[in-house]
Amino acid sequence: KNEVEQSPQNLTAQEGEFITINCSYSVGISALHWLQQHPGGGIVSLFMLSSGKKKHGRLIATINIQEKHSSLHITASHPRDSAVYICAASDSNYQLIWGAGTKLIIKP
Amino acid sequence: KAGVTQTPRYLIKTRGQQVTLSCSPISGHRSVSWYQQTPGQGLQFLFEYFSETQRNKGNFPGRFSGRQFSNSRSEMNVSTLELGDSALYLCASSLYYGTGDYGYTFGSGTRLTVV
Repeated sequence: KNEVEQSPQNLTAQEGEFITINCSYSVGISALHWLQQHPGGGIVSLFMLSSGKKKHGRLIATINIQEKHSSLHITASHPRDSAVYICAASDSNYQLIWGAGTKLIIKP
Repeated sequence: KAGVTQTPRYLIKTRGQQVTLSCSPISGHRSVSWYQQTPGQGLQFLFEYFSETQRNKGNFPGRFSGRQFSNSRSEMNVSTLELGDSALYLCASSLYYGTGDYGYTFGSGTRLTVV
């Protein structure tokens, strides 16, 4: 069992739909990261959470420390949101443990 | 401010050769981490450097090495290349060693193809 698990692995939705990507982890963490990777490889750090909820534009990230679970939500999804979304946990040694990623495709 | 710069962007090498990749972190960032991304294995941690010292190392063979210079620029070297080393190599910079309350900024990566 991986220490950081994401679901779903693949997600296809229509433009405008509300998107939720889930991340569960089994290790103690200092922070939980959500990152976005576009075709071509560039990775952008979206959020870093240690508690509660953060919002940036149409993106919302939440974390429940007790349940060891985090979610990334995208409101009013757009084709340009199509990317791989990766959750990564910083363990107690501050090393990143990566989820496998969720490939999101938003159709116009 | 300038982002994290990785060079070269693309590289094709032959089995048995060696390769050096470069990463220039954001100005003022002192920590540089390296990751390998392959379709089968996802993102895997290679090593992290802080103030010219290797602080952490992932589970990679000794053919993979790195260093960091006094200006925080980092290089990673892979010797005796194997076909399986074909991957996207990403570096990330952060202000201090370990992310703690600080985030990472990633470079665009170097795509290495070994033929």
